[in-house]
Amino acid sequence: QEKVQQSPESLIVPEGAMVSLNCSFSDSASQSIWWYQQHPGKGPKALISIFSNGNKKEGRLTVYLNRASLHVSLHIKDSQPSDSAVYLCAVISNTGYQNFYFGKGTSLTVIP
Amino acid sequence: EAAVTQSPRNKVAVTGGKVTLSCNQTNNHNNMYWYRQDTGHGLRLIHYSYGAGSTEKGDIPDGYKASRPSQENFSLILELATPSQTSVYFCASGDWGEQYFGPGTRLTVL
Repeated sequence: QEKVQQSPESLIVPEGAMVSLNCSFSDSASQSIWWYQQHPGKGPKALISIFSNGNKKEGRLTVYLNRASLHVSLHIKDSQPSDSAVYLCAVISNTGYQNFYFGKGTSLTVIP
Repeated sequence: EAAVTQSPRNKVAVTGGKVTLSCNQTNNHNNMYWYRQDTGHGLRLIHYSYGAGSTEKGDIPDGYKASRPSQENFSLILELATPSQTSVYFCASGDWGEQYFGPGTRLTVL
């Protein structure tokens, strides 16, 4: 079974700061890795995904994947108070069906 | 955008009672999922389905049953609810990677 670990557990930053979130996983043959955002009382919502080694940028978000070190990171540029949420790392297992394994999440608070 | 709805949004049940959580999706996705989310555990997969008539066990299926009567609907059934099943339950649907989540059902078993 895939294991997904996220760090830090929580993070408080001032508005405008660069935010870096980390995620490690156990299976180098995993398919894609997704980052989800979850606001209090809401369901998770997909932000960005990556499959290949390297980086991918979408707007203020950049994700880096290193399969050799089993590590993926999400960076949020120019953070806003509306970015305050829990961020979940999710790995699609390589078992032939589209099942996700989720980390426990990082709680981000952006202070105005 | 993909739409997944859940009912009820909140439920209080008694120990030993039967609880049914319902999920509907309007995106014609083949795959649907039931998760529970608890502090300290994150999201854990209970049951999933590949299409109408199919249900499969996820990582924590004990004490739960699932039913997929149609492409759109996927239910989670607790035949004999226990306090340890107090949690927030999420339904999701999605093919080819991204999963779309519903708003969740907060279940309290007294």
